[in-house]
Amino acid sequence: GDSVTQTEGQVTVSESKSLIINCTYSATSIGYPNLFWYVRYPGEGLQLLLKVITAGQKGSSRGFEATYNKEATSFHLQKASVQESDSAVYYCALSITGGNNKLTFGQGTVLSVIP
Amino acid sequence: GPKVLQIPSHQIIDMGQMVTLNCDPVSNHLYFYWYKQILGQQMEFLVNFYNGKVMEKSKLFKDQFSVERPDGSYFTLKIQPTALEDSAVYFCASSFLSYEQYFGPGTRLTVL
Repeated sequence: GDSVTQTEGQVTVSESKSLIINCTYSATSIGYPNLFWYVRYPGEGLQLLLKVITAGQKGSSRGFEATYNKEATSFHLQKASVQESDSAVYYCALSITGGNNKLTFGQGTVLSVIP
Repeated sequence: GPKVLQIPSHQIIDMGQMVTLNCDPVSNHLYFYWYKQILGQQMEFLVNFYNGKVMEKSKLFKDQFSVERPDGSYFTLKIQPTALEDSAVYFCASSFLSYEQYFGPGTRLTVL
């Protein structure tokens, strides 16, 4: 089946430093992969951060970026300068075009930004 | 932004009892979903629902599970009877069309 892997369960970064959260995927279902990053801030529900549905394209939101790399089957999340308010849990996810829109999630990465 | 509500936020029940988890989706959305997350594990797809019918269910969606949305009201997940392994956080989501799903805050179900 389809799967998403986030290698870091927890990441701690100092404010204003750069961030990268790794995400790789495996899509065995018939159809075209669509890739997402969701975020859960403390006390809030899961919300979409960014999405990319075309290979080679980059998505961006709130200073975060991720590029859909079909060759490497990766969708790493990056930010040049993190803020304390970015502390949250980040989930990489995958759906397949024509696949009833179900999402396959990674394990999640807890980001702690220290001042 | 649009909000999905889930009621209750936490439910504690005895094994073998029935439980209904309620989801109030975004008002104009057409597709509805349930996901399950056991503590320390990944969030996993259970089922999706469109036009009054289940579109797809995963192997986690046991025979004891059912979903419905009677008369456009709450989208519900019913478990009857419950088992210990049903303890988890259940997330509801809705979407208008494809791609962007809006999630509720989750219902934590504890089966004793």
